Amino acid sequence: DVKVTQSSRYLVKRTGEKVFLECVQDMDHENMFWYRQDPGLGLRLIYFSYDVKMKEKGDIPEGYSVSREKKERFSLILESASTNQTSMYLCASSPRLAGAKDTQYFGPGTRLTVL
Amino acid sequence: EDKVVQSPLSLVVHEGDTVTLNCSYEVTNFRSLLWYKQEKKAPTFLFMLTSSGIEKKSGRLSSILDKKELFSILNITATQTGDSAVYLCAGSGGYQKVTFGTGTKLQVIP
Repeated sequence: DVKVTQSSRYLVKRTGEKVFLECVQDMDHENMFWYRQDPGLGLRLIYFSYDVKMKEKGDIPEGYSVSREKKERFSLILESASTNQTSMYLCASSPRLAGAKDTQYFGPGTRLTVL
Repeated sequence: EDKVVQSPLSLVVHEGDTVTLNCSYEVTNFRSLLWYKQEKKAPTFLFMLTSSGIEKKSGRLSSILDKKELFSILNITATQTGDSAVYLCAGSGGYQKVTFGTGTKLQVIP
């Protein structure tokens, strides 16, 4: 079974703090993704990575950065957290295999509250 | 801009009913249509559809894609309370680009 884990289920931070969200997958997947999920807006892609040290902006990258130093780990960084970044953050991974690469496997999510 | 629209937004049915969830999409370089089930945590994968008119089935769930009308449906027969969840539809196009709809919230009451 594919396993995607995220470092925290719930996180409360103050405005202006630097926040790190960690995601680890154990299936040797090349692709990894960070989404945020908000009521009425669905899942929106923040960043994705298709290889170590590679990253691509998604639909809403502003206010976020990412790091992928190892294949299994993809970190999302909020340089200076703001209240409008209060959300559920979901990490996902997918293989690069032809025919399977669209199927994404999700972690349990981190519910971040910024006060 | 890619767009995926799901309907209805929510519905409530009784156990044993059959439900149909709808998904329309406009996705550049469309490659596949994905369905996920999300309970209180992470979405879990249900189906990936790439060809028109070929039904995919898994137990009481089935799905089909119409690439001409840019449409997919997810059917659930003989619903159970365990089917209560948000069902997400997503369109994949281009390089690793997946666009999600806002989901349909299904509640099955005994």
